[in-house]
This record gives sequence, C-alpha cells and structure tokens, in this order.
Amino acid sequence: DVKVTQSSRYLVKRTGEKVFLECVQDMDHENMFWYRQDPGLGLRLIYFSYDVKMKEKGDIPEGYSVSREKKERFSLILESASTNQTSMYLCASSFITAPGQGFDEQFFGPGTRLTVL
Amino acid sequence: AQSVAQPEDQVNVAEGNPLTVKCTYSVSGNPYLFWYVQYPNRGLQFLLKYITGDNLVKGSYGFEAEFNKSQTSFHLKKPSALVSDSALYFCAVRDEAYNTDKLIFGTGTRLQVFP
Repeated sequence: DVKVTQSSRYLVKRTGEKVFLECVQDMDHENMFWYRQDPGLGLRLIYFSYDVKMKEKGDIPEGYSVSREKKERFSLILESASTNQTSMYLCASSFITAPGQGFDEQFFGPGTRLTVL
Repeated sequence: AQSVAQPEDQVNVAEGNPLTVKCTYSVSGNPYLFWYVQYPNRGLQFLLKYITGDNLVKGSYGFEAEFNKSQTSFHLKKPSALVSDSALYFCAVRDEAYNTDKLIFGTGTRLQVFP
C-alpha cells in the first residue's frame, strides 16, 4: 500500500514563527503536492513538485515556500506564520503521467492541523 | 477555465436507502474525474475515477459514479447507504491548463447517514 506520512497531526505555533511541515512518501512517486483545506473552500493547491528540486506554484502560494531535496520528501515552509494560515494542510503524491498512459490518482497523507496564535 | 461544482453542502439519507452525491464539471477537452472521501480527522482516500470507457464506474466500498457527458455530471451513488458512509466527499477534475498532474477539487459535500 502507498503510504504518505506527515510529520505532525497537530501543530500550534505563534505568529511570526517559521514553520516546517514535512511529508514523506514511500512509493517512488514523481509528483508531490501541498494543499490547504478550509471549510467551504475545499482543497486549494499551494505548491507542487514533479521532480527533485523542481517546484511550481499552485493557486495560493503567497506566504509559503517548499523544498524537495529528495524524491520521497516534500517540505512546506511558512516563513513567518500568520493567523490566516491556521488550517488543515494535506500532502499528496502521485506518479507522473506519461504520454499515452492513464491518469493516476493522488494519494494523501493524514493531514496536519496547524493553529497559529 | 476548468472547474467542478458540488451543489450540495450536505446530504442526509437514512441507512439502507440509496444515496447520490452530485458533481458537475466544466472542461474544454475530455474530462478526467475523481471522487475522494474524507473520514473525520483523516486524509483523503481515493474512491474511483473516470478516464474513458464505460459511463458507470465502480469503486471502493460499494460506491459507483455515473458519467454523463450531455449533462456534464459525475454523480456518486450507492444503492444502500451505511452509517459508516458518513463522511466528507470531494469531486475533482484534472486541470487541463498545464501539462502536469494537477487536480481541481470541489468544495465538498458532507454525507450524513442516519440509523
């Protein structure tokens, strides 16, 4: 079974702190994604990566950065946490779609519920 | 722009009755559509996907979804609901705008199955 793990289930930080959220997958997936989930807004993509050291902005990248130094690990960084970044953060991974191949689903981690005070 | 809409924030159904969770989509090309389920305090779990082929797609936990091109819909269905099906359900479509594997998610529908 695919396993996507996230470093913390619950996290409480103070405004202005630098926050690191870690995600690790064990299925050799090329793609990795960071979403935030807020009630009534569904999932919104923050950043994604399709290869080591590669990253692309999603729909709401402001206030976030990412790092992918190894294929299995994708980190989300909040440079200076703010209260409006209080949310559920979900990491996901998937195989990259090759030409002529089907489109694979994404596999999700359990989520990190971050509270910024 | 591509999008998915889940018109109902919540669906209530009695145990044993059939359930439907609605999803409509808007894409310019061929749609790649997905359903995910989220149980309390858990990540999303994949239920099923439509890529091409039969309009009725069967998935996990007895769920199925019907792809209807003329109505641009991809409704999730189950013939007989269980209390344990109570969860948050998300519809998603592949983002065509980029040559990547991004998904666009709906806002979610909370399914409540009453005993």
